[in-house]
Amino acid sequence: DGGITQSPKYLFRKEGQNVTLSCEQNLNHDAMYWYRQDPGQGLRLIYYSQIVNDFQKGDIAEGYSVSREKKESFPLTVTSAQKNPTAFYLCASLDPNYGYTFGSGTRLTVV
Amino acid sequence: LAKTTQPISMDSYEGQEVNITCSHNNIATNDYITWYQQFPSQGPRFIIQGYKTKVTNEVASLFIPADRKSSTLSLPRVSLSDTAVYYCLVVVYSSASKIIFGSGTRLSIRP
Repeated sequence: DGGITQSPKYLFRKEGQNVTLSCEQNLNHDAMYWYRQDPGQGLRLIYYSQIVNDFQKGDIAEGYSVSREKKESFPLTVTSAQKNPTAFYLCASLDPNYGYTFGSGTRLTVV
Repeated sequence: LAKTTQPISMDSYEGQEVNITCSHNNIATNDYITWYQQFPSQGPRFIIQGYKTKVTNEVASLFIPADRKSSTLSLPRVSLSDTAVYYCLVVVYSSASKIIFGSGTRLSIRP
């Protein structure tokens, strides 16, 4: 079945540590997105990529980095510069005719 | 980017029809109106999309007046499982870039 796979489902990060969240899609979509969601809040855009080897900052890109070396993959790194990283992270890809497909999310907690 | 305004929360009872209205006064000619549903700890999923007048599928109906400055998502005969957050988006997918999700409407269904 086609879809978005995010891993891990749960992730714990120590203070000052970088962690990378994985996002893989087999939908052959060009555009991919990373969103952050805090409890009781809506989705906020971190980064997006419309094609391979190109990506753009969203509204809250500080403390995050991404790469898009392959069409299928769009990993997100949460760096030590992100002071409040505890949140639910969602990856999505976009079909212009049918809209977004989201992954099941990664819940990141700072310990 | 067209900004959307939705009620923060709504309550209803099983078996009732629920209508959630979204205001998008600055909608552009090429924008489509799309609704997504999100359950806790899951990614949003597509419900329905329309451009004008009325669209119906097996899950919901979408009513769009002639001026397109608002839209109404109608959920017939809701059940407890319809308790979720509902997001209204106004977007041109063909030039998809910085698509913004608002805070959505938190719908609570009671027995």
